[in-house]
Amino acid sequence: DAGITQSPRHKVTETGTPVTLRCHQTENHRYMYWYRQDPGHGLRLIHYSYGVKDTDKGEVSDGYSVSRSKTEDFLLTLESATSSQTSVYFCAISPETRAYNEQFFGPGTRLTVL
Amino acid sequence: QKEVEQNSGPLSVPEGAIASLNCTYSDRGSQSFFWYRQYSGKSPELIMFIYSNGDKEDGRFTAQLNKASQYVSLLIRDSQPSDSATYLCAVVSYNTDKLIFGTGTRLQVFP
Repeated sequence: DAGITQSPRHKVTETGTPVTLRCHQTENHRYMYWYRQDPGHGLRLIHYSYGVKDTDKGEVSDGYSVSRSKTEDFLLTLESATSSQTSVYFCAISPETRAYNEQFFGPGTRLTVL
Repeated sequence: QKEVEQNSGPLSVPEGAIASLNCTYSDRGSQSFFWYRQYSGKSPELIMFIYSNGDKEDGRFTAQLNKASQYVSLLIRDSQPSDSATYLCAVVSYNTDKLIFGTGTRLQVFP
């Protein structure tokens, strides 16, 4: 158990509303990631973080922003949700004490945008 | 061409057989390779990683890497119904230094 929780676990929202997903870890790992998983596309990286206030864009970052003000929390915000952002969102951490880029995933958040 | 390709399956094998899951990748500079298992409705779970050409064994799982041919495979010996899941191949991109995932192969082990 990598000590990762995600909240909420399920959310239904309407197009145009802002949504924030939270990833919380208990083990003070520096590296944190947000992915989305869609049928036919696999897991795709949205944003990642190398530490507090140190974030960068991934492959599918348009329409998403992130913040990391504390080591333990990595927030993903959909500024104005669209139906194309209906997906399952996974947070992951990568412990520095493990193999390079070895990542462990949280339980996921299922988001539906109507 | 996708960066990491897997046959979507399903791959159906009888209980006790060897399941062979394959993955090809396009980035010749990639050095790190991972296999994740994902049960339906659950998050991916890391089961193996491999860096060097050849075989790496862990219990009933064996990862095989051939960098010259750009493929990595996962063998599951003595397959059990509990192994039924989707198996994701992931490769660290040489260019971006980030994990790139395949779309997964669904494995079904029938009694």
